[in-house]
Amino acid sequence: AQKITQTQPGMFVQEKEAVTLDCTYDTSDQSYGLFWYKQPSSGEMIFLIYQGSYDEQNATEGRYSLNFQKARKSANLVISASQLGDSAMYFCAMREVLFGNEKLTFGTGTRLTIIP
Amino acid sequence: DAGVTQSPTHLIKTRGQQVTLRCSPISGHKSVSWYQQVLGQGPQFIFQYYEKEERGRGNFPDRFSARQFPNYSSELNVNALLLGDSALYLCASSTRQGLYEQYFGPGTRLTVT
Repeated sequence: AQKITQTQPGMFVQEKEAVTLDCTYDTSDQSYGLFWYKQPSSGEMIFLIYQGSYDEQNATEGRYSLNFQKARKSANLVISASQLGDSAMYFCAMREVLFGNEKLTFGTGTRLTIIP
Repeated sequence: DAGVTQSPTHLIKTRGQQVTLRCSPISGHKSVSWYQQVLGQGPQFIFQYYEKEERGRGNFPDRFSARQFPNYSSELNVNALLLGDSALYLCASSTRQGLYEQYFGPGTRLTVT
């Protein structure tokens, strides 16, 4: 099974609308972390938001929020009031520590295009 | 403040050759991680170093190795290059041990012919 699954290869959203990018994960660990990164066409990965598995409240960072549903193993990214500059690839990632070895696994990404 | 820097920006190598990629973290950051991103895919974790020690390793063959220097800069070495090693190699740094909030560099685009 895939560790991180992003089922939306591409999305088109009207400017100023909210958008939800889906992410589901698979782990048997109790302690893990979930991230969202943005990758514009320039190629540089930009950290957006982090949620720890024990965090009871959903993480928020400005216009970004992470809808964490632990029982469903989902960690969707919500972008409010989308802007043209939000057009980019978005990657969900999970941090795990297995037998003392720490790893970060990324999904395949969702390409978000904001339409003026 | 300068961000994470990587060199070279682009590089072309032939199958069987060896390559060294370099990364300088943000000042004050002691952790450096390396990722391989093949075109059209998400990054794949290769290594993490913290305080000059390896703290994490992904599922890559022994042809891939890395090290971190006393000034926290890092090198990634790949031996016996294969066509499949063609990718964008990303370096990321963070202030603390562990793969938490990381700041990425612009990457090195490696093409193997």
